Amino acid sequence: ETGVTQTPRHLVMGMTNKKSLKCEQHLGHNAMYWYKQSAKKPLELMFVYSLEERVENNSVPSRFSPECPNSSHLFLHLHTLQPEDSALYLCASSQDPVAGFYNEQFFGPGTRLTVL
Amino acid sequence: AQKVTQAQTEISVVEKEDVTLDCVYETRDTTYYLFWYKQPPSGELVFLIRRNSFDEQNEISGRYSWNFQKSTSSFNFTITASQVVDSAVYFCALSDTGGGNKLTFGTGTQLKVEL
Repeated sequence: ETGVTQTPRHLVMGMTNKKSLKCEQHLGHNAMYWYKQSAKKPLELMFVYSLEERVENNSVPSRFSPECPNSSHLFLHLHTLQPEDSALYLCASSQDPVAGFYNEQFFGPGTRLTVL
Repeated sequence: AQKVTQAQTEISVVEKEDVTLDCVYETRDTTYYLFWYKQPPSGELVFLIRRNSFDEQNEISGRYSWNFQKSTSSFNFTITASQVVDSAVYFCALSDTGGGNKLTFGTGTQLKVEL
């Protein structure tokens, strides 16, 4: 595997279900991100992990719960979602910015989530 | 506050035409980075270019070129001799060096290249 992988690619769930999205990066990066992409909206940053610590939680509802067990893996645990949470969820990774030098983020293919 | 505006929602061109995608940004940072990403129908955002605020040289990479104008806060992207494979959504993004790892994205421009 190369780059950033995400599983599953598609997920349909009911509002009472619990599911998890998985992201794995094979680039040796030390920062990982979750984004939400809804139709006709800019990408919304949800969470940022740097060196396995959460450094950003962008006012995301508690029904989304991230987990970063190591620098290569990132999970997004989902429970009691709403239909408006249906979107493409993208994972990304990068080298953590150092001394103002900003590194590009590399994205996975996303998980298309539908909440019924 | 950071803001990125991509005023062109959708552009349609015929193959071999040149096309320019506009990006205008707002920031109070003196040091920042600008990016372009391509999102084909498969969904994955593909990194195209990073440019820092101190480097205003234009860049060319094959059929792609970028025009960074700090005076007008613009970072436009031109595809020369467009091809059907260029059909995708293109996003411009701005870094937030004060806030660490954040990127502010524009709403994207859907480019359709037809035969």
